[in-house]
Amino acid sequence: DAGITQSPRYKITETGRQVTLMCHQTWSHSYMFWYRQDLGHGLRLIYYSAAADITDKGEVPDGYVVSRSKTENFPLTLESATRSQTSVYFCASTSGPSYNEQFFGPGTRLTVL
Amino acid sequence: GENVEQHPSTLSVQEGDSAVIKCTYSDSASNYFPWYKQELGKGPQLIIDIRSNVGEKKDQRIAVTLNKTAKHFSLHITETQPEDSAVYFCAAGSNRDDKIIFGKGTRLHILP
Repeated sequence: DAGITQSPRYKITETGRQVTLMCHQTWSHSYMFWYRQDLGHGLRLIYYSAAADITDKGEVPDGYVVSRSKTENFPLTLESATRSQTSVYFCASTSGPSYNEQFFGPGTRLTVL
Repeated sequence: GENVEQHPSTLSVQEGDSAVIKCTYSDSASNYFPWYKQELGKGPQLIIDIRSNVGEKKDQRIAVTLNKTAKHFSLHITETQPEDSAVYFCAAGSNRDDKIIFGKGTRLHILP
């Protein structure tokens, strides 16, 4: 199916475990973004990528790692999950930089116990 | 860096009335201002945007106004309907940057 997908949709893990959230888009968009959404904080940018093998930090990058070996995929890894990383994570993609509409995935709800 | 403030955080209006959500931004270089709507359990979706060379833009019941001097912009929804109930986010960006910064969101309730 065309579009942007995220997996898993729901994840429960324990403190200290490594977790990878997947994001896949079929449009060949050059830009991809990871946001986290928390009550009272809105959408905060974690990392973004302008193209394959190019990534950059956003507002809240600490504790997260990203990679982008293929244009269509942009995985987000929590190397050692903490309770403060309990959140809803959204991936987005767009064909160009800030002037262009971002298309969001359905989100992954992550709970860290 | 850019900072976007959004008010109110929650807004309740009677069906058929108008709703207004306001945002301010800090970076005078910002020149792109989108608004996203997020329905329950879904990702945000763009509903309207405005660029700095325009003061107002309308799309059916939705309008956005921009005051660059005061660095604020607003979303206006007229004749509100139940399906307008959602969380709305404003954002700001510039053509010198790859990203946009979002406000904290407004939860809009349409009362029957």
